[in-house]
Amino acid sequence: DAGITQSPRHKVTETGTPVTLRCHQTENHRYMYWYRQDPGHGLRLIHYSYGVKDTDKGEVSDGYSVSRSKTEDFLLTLESATSSQTSVYFCAISTESSGNTIYFGEGSWLTVV
Amino acid sequence: GENVEQHPSTLSVQEGDSAVIKCTYSDSASNYFPWYKQELGKGPQLIIDIRSNVGEKKDQRIAVTLNKTAKHFSLHITETQPEDSAVYFCAASAGGFKTIFGAGTRLFVKA
Repeated sequence: DAGITQSPRHKVTETGTPVTLRCHQTENHRYMYWYRQDPGHGLRLIHYSYGVKDTDKGEVSDGYSVSRSKTEDFLLTLESATSSQTSVYFCAISTESSGNTIYFGEGSWLTVV
Repeated sequence: GENVEQHPSTLSVQEGDSAVIKCTYSDSASNYFPWYKQELGKGPQLIIDIRSNVGEKKDQRIAVTLNKTAKHFSLHITETQPEDSAVYFCAASAGGFKTIFGAGTRLFVKA
């Protein structure tokens, strides 16, 4: 158990509305990630953070923003949700001491209608 | 960009048989190769990993092999059981955010 909590776990929202997904970790890990999972694409990195207020873009960052104001919380925001953002979103952490092994949360299922 | 190809996308085996999933990566800087198992409705769970200075690693019924020259690595599951049914992901990593995942293999183990 990597001590990762995602909320909400399930959400249905309308096109054009803002959505924020929250990731909370209890282990004080430096690195945090947001991935999306879609059939045929595996897990693709949206954004990552290497410390408080330190974030960077991943492979599929368009339409998403993130914030990390505390070590334990990493927020993913969809400013104006689109149907193409219907997906399962996973928060993850990694630790330098574990050789950068990535550990995932339980996921947030988002449907944009 | 860098990528990881994973085959097959679906694999069906009889209980007790072996299952093999293969991955190929492109980034020569990759030095860490984890494998994850994902059950329905859950997040991926690390099941085994291997680093580039090792050619093979085994943990009970699962084993991984790595051929750095050919940029190939594989997951082997022996004596499969129904509870092995899940989606398996390989990944190649050059460090944290430089981890690239395969598209996944859905394994069915028939009792």
